Amino acid sequence: KNEVEQSPQNLTAQEGEFITINCSYSVGISALHWLQQHPGGGIVSLFMLSSGKKKHGRLIATINIQEKHSSLHITASHPRDSAVYICAAPHMNRDDKIIFGKGTRLHILP
Amino acid sequence: EAQVTQNPRYLITVTGKKLTVTCSQNMNHEYMSWYRQDPGLGLRQIYYSMNVEVTDKGDVPEGYKVSRKEKRNFPLILESPSPNQTSLYFCASSFFGQPQHFGDGTRLSIL
Repeated sequence: KNEVEQSPQNLTAQEGEFITINCSYSVGISALHWLQQHPGGGIVSLFMLSSGKKKHGRLIATINIQEKHSSLHITASHPRDSAVYICAAPHMNRDDKIIFGKGTRLHILP
Repeated sequence: EAQVTQNPRYLITVTGKKLTVTCSQNMNHEYMSWYRQDPGLGLRQIYYSMNVEVTDKGDVPEGYKVSRKEKRNFPLILESPSPNQTSLYFCASSFFGQPQHFGDGTRLSIL
């Protein structure tokens, strides 16, 4: 079992819909990262959070440390949000070692 | 401009021919790391470095070497590449405990 699990694996939605991608982890962590990988392959770091909530534009990331769960939300989704979203966690006792989820492929239809 | 630069972006080569993928960052980051990305397996860490002359194995280090002689450079070396090392490779860097900056990726095909 992967130590970082994402759901869903694939998600197709209509433009404008509210999107939620979930990440659950079984290891102790100091913080959790959300990454975005566009069809061209480049990877961008969206958020790094260790508690509560962070917001950037239409993207919101939340984390519940006790429940070992994080969510990435996209409001008013747009076709340009189509990408693979990856959560990643540095190990609690090994911040230098990174564990990745397998990603959620999001496709927003116009 | 702050960036992580990988070279080459694409490479097709043959089994056994030594190759090096370079990675350079201009942000004075201590931490650098190499990942490979394969369909169905996601990103996996190959090697990482906490600082100059400090490197450590990630989850899939077999068949790879790295060095960190200077803070800005972290090359990935495949001494004797094999077809199972065909993959998309990413280099990343950060200040310790901060979000990572990723390079654009290197697509390697080993025939």
